[in-house]
Amino acid sequence: EPEVTQTPSHQVTQMGQEVILRCVPISNHLYFYWYRQILGQKVEFLVSFYNNEISEKSEIFDDQFSVERPDGSNFTLKIRSTKLEDSAMYFCASSVTGRGLEGYTFGSGTRLTVV
Amino acid sequence: ILNVEQSPQSLHVQEGDSTNFTCSFPSSNFYALHWYRWETAKSPEALFVMTLNGDEKKKGRISATLNTKEGYSYLYIKGSQPEDSATYLCAFRVVFGNEKLTFGTGTRLTIIP
Repeated sequence: EPEVTQTPSHQVTQMGQEVILRCVPISNHLYFYWYRQILGQKVEFLVSFYNNEISEKSEIFDDQFSVERPDGSNFTLKIRSTKLEDSAMYFCASSVTGRGLEGYTFGSGTRLTVV
Repeated sequence: ILNVEQSPQSLHVQEGDSTNFTCSFPSSNFYALHWYRWETAKSPEALFVMTLNGDEKKKGRISATLNTKEGYSYLYIKGSQPEDSATYLCAFRVVFGNEKLTFGTGTRLTIIP
């Protein structure tokens, strides 16, 4: 069964530092997403990405965040200057289409802790 | 602001018993409802995607129904097994063109052997 892989599984960083979270989506999927879950809260949408550009982003996804597909396989989320409130589990997901009529395939997440 | 609620928040069920839980979502601008199973330390796994009012879907011992007019979906598990222990998430999507999934809080199910 194809998987979405995320690295690292855990990341601890100091406030103000830049972090890059990495994801390898499923190869024939065309839409890629980042979601996050702050401890005790709901899973929340950050951004969707299609055809090498952002197709939709949430209010959370401000100038501190960026996404990139630097090659044919990786999909990255960069947080430029981390804040304590960025501590969360970050999930990457992918889907064949963006129509939402098939389930998304999620990775197992990167737990980011900002200290 | 879209509000998706799930109840109960947590549930303990004896092995072999059947159970169900609820996802409530806005009834306007409905497009699709997703159900995911999320086991600890694993990735959320898609169970069902439901789009039509009155839809019923089944996967083994797990089934789901959808009522878009009143804005709810039920997930049923028949004859619970220990491997059913997980958090079950529903996620709502508005009409086509908006790709975001809005998740509920989840129902954490624990099966007692």
